[in-house]
Amino acid sequence: DTGVSQDPRHKITKRGQNVTFRCDPISEHNRLYWYRQTLGQGPEFLTYFQNEAQLEKSRLLSDRFSAERPKGSFSTLEIQRTEQGDSAMYLCASSLEGAYNEQFFGPGTRLTVL
Amino acid sequence: TQLLEQSPQFLSIQEGENLTVYCNSSSVFSSLQWYRQEPGEGPVLLVTVVTGGEVKKLKRLTFQFGDARKDSSLHITAAQPGDTGLYLCAGAGAGGTSYGKLTFGQGTILTVHP
Repeated sequence: DTGVSQDPRHKITKRGQNVTFRCDPISEHNRLYWYRQTLGQGPEFLTYFQNEAQLEKSRLLSDRFSAERPKGSFSTLEIQRTEQGDSAMYLCASSLEGAYNEQFFGPGTRLTVL
Repeated sequence: TQLLEQSPQFLSIQEGENLTVYCNSSSVFSSLQWYRQEPGEGPVLLVTVVTGGEVKKLKRLTFQFGDARKDSSLHITAAQPGDTGLYLCAGAGAGGTSYGKLTFGQGTILTVHP
């Protein structure tokens, strides 16, 4: 059984470029979450999906950020016109609805914006 | 806004010592989870507590959920160098406020010296 996978693991980009990250959840999980974590802090919630529906978005998610989960399986997180402040670890997690919200995390994508 | 205050922020101890990490909030949570995270990796779920007063044991780790479901503690007995890492508590919302996202504490960085 595979856990949550994320791709790429590391991304270095120049300011102003667009980047896209992919997350593949645990296969039977219907909920998928995106978090952002900066050095020395706990993860901060960005958004989550139940199946293909995006149910909640944080105010942290500016207009430059968009997330999709078109078929209720994998998800993508796109950041347009990246800024240096976007440098962080982007974490994806998945869970089963109702299972005490136990979320299982992927290894993360480390984004560095130069 | 639901906030989780974690203490201490840093803990440096010798192998064999005991330690306790605290997670406190003014909000009631429907469930609370503890994670351990290694550098460059995603958080790994250790335990979920859901009932006020609940105590769970995982080998040398003991987790307790407060009676009012506002606080939790993690106690490690006879710490080993392999326990070194970032420990995070995370609560799922109560009172009808966002059962989806987790709210994380800022984490406790534990270093166990041989």
